[in-house]
Amino acid sequence: QKEVEQNSGPLSVPEGAIASLNCTYSDRGSQSFFWYRQYSGKSPELIMSIYSNGDKEDGRFTAQLNKASQYVSLLIRDSQPSDSATYLCAVNGGDSNYQLIWGAGTKLIIKP
Amino acid sequence: DVKVTQSSRYLVKRTGEKVFLECVQDMDHENMFWYRQDPGLGLRLIYFSYDVKMKEKGDIPEGYSVSREKKERFSLILESASTNQTSMYLCASRSTGTYEQYFGPGTRLTVT
Repeated sequence: QKEVEQNSGPLSVPEGAIASLNCTYSDRGSQSFFWYRQYSGKSPELIMSIYSNGDKEDGRFTAQLNKASQYVSLLIRDSQPSDSATYLCAVNGGDSNYQLIWGAGTKLIIKP
Repeated sequence: DVKVTQSSRYLVKRTGEKVFLECVQDMDHENMFWYRQDPGLGLRLIYFSYDVKMKEKGDIPEGYSVSREKKERFSLILESASTNQTSMYLCASRSTGTYEQYFGPGTRLTVT
């Protein structure tokens, strides 16, 4: 059973601090990794994708990938109350051309 | 801009009714997906389609069917709605050769 694991939270972070969200996956064949943000009552929105080991930065967001440890993380710098949401980690199934394997999400709360 | 629309944001149906949920995308994507999302369970794939008239079962297809007569439209059908099908239903699409999925706004279905 291929799995993607995330701490469900809630993770509470003060405004202006760095929020660190973590995700582990079980399929060593996975090559594509995604972070989605989902506000309460809304649908998931793609915010980051990463395919190679190392860091990928986009504005205040940095995705980090370590394939040897089967670990993906998302860092949010200068956290804002508008970053409060559930963050979903998704990973492609190594032997599937169609499906993403989804984590259950981490709820992030940014406290003013 | 990526656009996926769903026929209803909120829907209330009675047990035993036949329910149609429709999804339309204007990105010329080959692949379309139906998920349901429940608290604590994350996103679960019901069905997906990789071409017109082509479909494959996801993880939880029981009690559901789908139809894809045109490339841009993917319908989810609940043949006889039951209370355990009360959920948020999310449609997504993606282009062949990529893994990024783009979601519609979701339909919150309540079966009473």
